[in-house]
Amino acid sequence: DQQVKQNSPSLSVQEGRISILNCDYTNSMFDYFLWYKKYPAEGPTFLISISSIKDKNEDGRFTVFLNKSAKHLSLHIVPSQPGDSAVYFCAATPESNYQLIWGAGTKLIIKP
Amino acid sequence: GEEVAQTPKHLVRGEGQKAKLYCAPIKGHSYVFWYQQVLKNEFKFLISFQNENVFDETGMPKERFSAKCLPNSPCSLEIQATKLEDSAVYFCASSQWLGGNTEAFFGQGTRLTVV
Repeated sequence: DQQVKQNSPSLSVQEGRISILNCDYTNSMFDYFLWYKKYPAEGPTFLISISSIKDKNEDGRFTVFLNKSAKHLSLHIVPSQPGDSAVYFCAATPESNYQLIWGAGTKLIIKP
Repeated sequence: GEEVAQTPKHLVRGEGQKAKLYCAPIKGHSYVFWYQQVLKNEFKFLISFQNENVFDETGMPKERFSAKCLPNSPCSLEIQATKLEDSAVYFCASSQWLGGNTEAFFGQGTRLTVV
């Protein structure tokens, strides 16, 4: 059973506009949520995280929003740039073991 | 080193053969993690180490998979008697501490193909 779901396999956005990537989870025991970005033939790189006690975390062009009642989080990238084209993975972890549970990823394509 | 180094980049094994993958974590990082990514899907946690000690091995298939992190040596993940379904990219990551907000740094992965 998938505990972390990214229902959009891909997303295409115009350069300069806002990209919104979504993630849903089922396990209410998750304490932290993270976003990783991955280019082909490379390992994922950490982007931003949020604790379950917060509802928003911002870092430059990246903002993550958490809605605990809906078990939903989203990553906003604004403005979107060509270098943002990559696969974005949502992951979650409980404090009990810090295992990262991953979604299947969303491929973001930024159009010039 | 300043990055997680995984070797080899590609590994091809016949079904039933042994496969051994290596990971050199970032110097100073105490925690090492192994993940398996099948068919570009989500990453599956396998095992984590705190220095040379196993921290959490609940993701490891019991029978054919083993892993070690010995002092002054790269960490290793070994698969005995590989099966077709072991074909995947295996990623190693390291972090300085353990925590939900702690950034884990990933290597480039080893692509294992079992034929």
